[in-house]
Amino acid sequence: AQKITQTQPGMFVQEKEAVTLDCTYDTSDPSYGLFWYKQPSSGEMIFLIYQGSYDQQNATEGRYSLNFQKARKSANLVISASQLGDSAMYFCAMREGTYNNNDMRFGAGTRLTVKP
Amino acid sequence: DADVTQTPRNRITKTGKRIMLECSQTKGHDRMYWYRQDPGLGLRLIYYSFDVKDINKGEISDGYSVSRQAQAKFSLSLESAIPNQTALYFCATSDIGTSGIGTDTQYFGPGTRLTVL
Repeated sequence: AQKITQTQPGMFVQEKEAVTLDCTYDTSDPSYGLFWYKQPSSGEMIFLIYQGSYDQQNATEGRYSLNFQKARKSANLVISASQLGDSAMYFCAMREGTYNNNDMRFGAGTRLTVKP
Repeated sequence: DADVTQTPRNRITKTGKRIMLECSQTKGHDRMYWYRQDPGLGLRLIYYSFDVKDINKGEISDGYSVSRQAQAKFSLSLESAIPNQTALYFCATSDIGTSGIGTDTQYFGPGTRLTVL
């Protein structure tokens, strides 16, 4: 069963505007971690932000923030003040359970294009 | 220098050939992983290793084998390559999360683009 769903294959945003990339997940485990990665056209995977299931506050890292809505099982990535260099594929991922579980599942990704 | 390196970066080979992809890391992490990426499917885990003596199958291990030669080195082998193994392959590393709730962030290498003809 698909555990991570990214419903937006592609998104466009105007430079300097904010954009939200959607991610929903499915788990019955109360302990899990949620991750967002960026993959530019050069191909490398760059870690952006992490949210733990027990974290009380939404994670933030510079212009990135994670809108964590636990009851709705969503973990949307918000990028503020978009820059041309933000154009890339973005992947949401989840790991369930304790540190001994390495079953990290990725969504299919969203391609973000920032327009000048 | 990059923390996680992969060699080769690109490889074209023929069906039936044995191929080895290598990964090295200088992050000092105990955990290492191999993923493949196919268009529209995100990343899928092939194998992972918690330490030198620990090797575990991931979601799609058939047709692949791995070797953890040292803490810093983790190799992926395709014993007899087939065209549907054409993909982008990533190595990743992580260290155990301090909270123990699956928090260990994975850091990826630059990827190896493999084409099997």
